[in-house]
Parts: sequence; structure tokens; C-alpha cells
Amino acid sequence: DAKTTQPNSMESNEEEPVHLPCNHSTISGTDYIHWYRQLPSQGPEYVIHGLTSNVNNRMASLAIAEDRKSSTLILHRATLRDAAVYYCILRANAGGTSYGKLTFGQGTILTVHP
Amino acid sequence: DTEVTQTPKHLVMGMTNKKSLKCEQHMGHRAMYWYKQKAKKPPELMFVYSYEKLSINESVPSRFSPECPNSSLLNLHLHALQPEDSALYLCASSQWVQNTEAFFGQGTRLTVV
Repeated sequence: DAKTTQPNSMESNEEEPVHLPCNHSTISGTDYIHWYRQLPSQGPEYVIHGLTSNVNNRMASLAIAEDRKSSTLILHRATLRDAAVYYCILRANAGGTSYGKLTFGQGTILTVHP
Repeated sequence: DTEVTQTPKHLVMGMTNKKSLKCEQHMGHRAMYWYKQKAKKPPELMFVYSYEKLSINESVPSRFSPECPNSSLLNLHLHALQPEDSALYLCASSQWVQNTEAFFGQGTRLTVV
């Protein structure tokens, strides 16, 4: 299975932008990059996903490197409610041993300071 | 309705008991998942169902038995569990197993005594 590498933790101040990096050097051509987050005492929550082009939605932006070996989740203005564990996941879109799986790595614990 | 509902929210069971966890979604999703999450660890995938058929079993012990009786419902039957099986059990669903976003329930907190 293609793996992702994320920093264990990051800190931010409220109302500042946050850039959460993810390395996925063994990504295959059909893998989509997904981001989920898990707030304390809750189930994971979908944030955003993309394949090659940068993506924006109401929650965040996803910047994908041209070689697709890394990506960055961007929270434009962090709030206290954004404090969570953020997971970068590769989701296989074609056959192979990873097909159908949504496998979580260790994730990044984001702390937001008032 | 973008909700995945899991019941019960909490469950305490003895090692000789048989119990079941239930998961329901009404989004028309055809892929459903069971995860196990220990404290301060990421969720671990256990099972994946696609079109009500088991498509992935991540070498889960047979004391955990999944069942998908219809496209909206997913059960996890528990029998002869060990204390180390105590964890948060999460259910999720997505449109298909291919690249689509997954929606998670709030989980069942299981304690085995």
C-alpha cells in the first residue's frame, strides 16, 4: 500500500493560515489524495480530495505538487474548532491490493492557540 | 441526510457474551466499512463491504463477524472478545469503494470486562 508521511504535530494561532504537509513519494497514477480530520471524541470527517489539480472547497484548499509526491492542506483562517488530528490518505481508484481501502496513517495533531 | 448512525453509543460486555453493533445509513451508499480505534491511535480498517458483499477482511479474528443484511445496514457481531478488544468501533459509508468521500458515524465505545 502506498504510504503517507506527516509531521506528528503542528501549532497555529487563531485566524492565521495553516499549511499541513503530506509526503507520498510512492503514490501511483490512479491514487487520489484524501484528507480527513478527527475532532476529539468524534468520528473522522471528510475534508477534501484531489488527483492532480489544486482543489478548493468551503473547508480548505488542497495544493498538489506537480510530481504528486507531496501535497499540502491549507486552512485559510484557523479557528479553535479546527483543532483536530488531520489525516492524509491515498485512496486507490483502480485495482490492486489497496483497491477499496481507506487506510489511515498516524496523522498530524493540530493545536490552535487563541 | 448525510448521517451514519451507530448504535449503541456505549457497550460493556463480558468475555463470554455475544453482542452486536449496528450501523445504518440512508444515503444510498453501496460501500460500508468497519474500523477499530484505540486511544490516541488512528482508525484501523477491519472490513469493507461493496454492494452487500464482503470485499476486504483485514485479517480480523473470527470473534468479529460482520454482516450486511441490506444496502442500508451493517452489523458487527461480537463473540468471546478479549479485554484488549476494548476500543471505539467506527462505521463508515461511501458511494462506492472507488474514489469517493466517506462519511463516518460517531462510533460505539466498547469495553470488554
